[in-house]
Amino acid sequence: AAGVIQSPRHLIKEKRETATLKCYPIPRHDTVYWYQQGPGQDPQFLISFYEKMQSDKGSIPDRFSAQQFSDYHSELNMSSLELGDSALYFCASSHGQGITGELFFGEGSRLTVL
Amino acid sequence: GQSLEQPSEVTAVEGAIVQINCTYQTSGFYGLSWYQQHDGGAPTFLSYNALDGLEETGRFSSFLSRSDSYGYLLLQELQMKDSASYFCASRTSGAGSYQLTFGKGTKLSVIP
Repeated sequence: AAGVIQSPRHLIKEKRETATLKCYPIPRHDTVYWYQQGPGQDPQFLISFYEKMQSDKGSIPDRFSAQQFSDYHSELNMSSLELGDSALYFCASSHGQGITGELFFGEGSRLTVL
Repeated sequence: GQSLEQPSEVTAVEGAIVQINCTYQTSGFYGLSWYQQHDGGAPTFLSYNALDGLEETGRFSSFLSRSDSYGYLLLQELQMKDSASYFCASRTSGAGSYQLTFGKGTKLSVIP
């Protein structure tokens, strides 16, 4: 079965650089979520999209932005990177805004900021 | 805001039963999910309770009491591969949409 695809899997950037993460949700899933997980931490909700429209915002810094495209893939853009942005970034998708409580997570993109 | 409390660590013996509790304080609560995450891996869905009561899925069961704002995950016949972090997560509504908020996670260590 198709899963959520994230790219790149690993990314190393310098402070103040920019980074873009991509997410391809499971086909026919209408909702995409972005989460940030620091070492030993719980996943923190950043932002979500329902049918290509932003549906909710969590603790996403102003330096970050995201969008969902017509083919349903989503991109998380991060600018002016800081050391504290080093984390695992997960994209997840669901059908019907997660009405079953089940989100399908990708394998994550590990961002390291030096 | 949303708040979910669960123990930070639990240790149990292979073959035994372990219960991981979760208490929550949330507004717009719709249900409680449980996720498993191995080190460096993705969270994977285990169970969801929208209504009070017990949901059973193989060796895993989950319980919810909405009146007590409490739930638990029960793992039976523990195996070494069950060593992982377990997160409860509340599905809540806000601004016309839904989001999943995670607890801090419980690190389960299964020992021989």
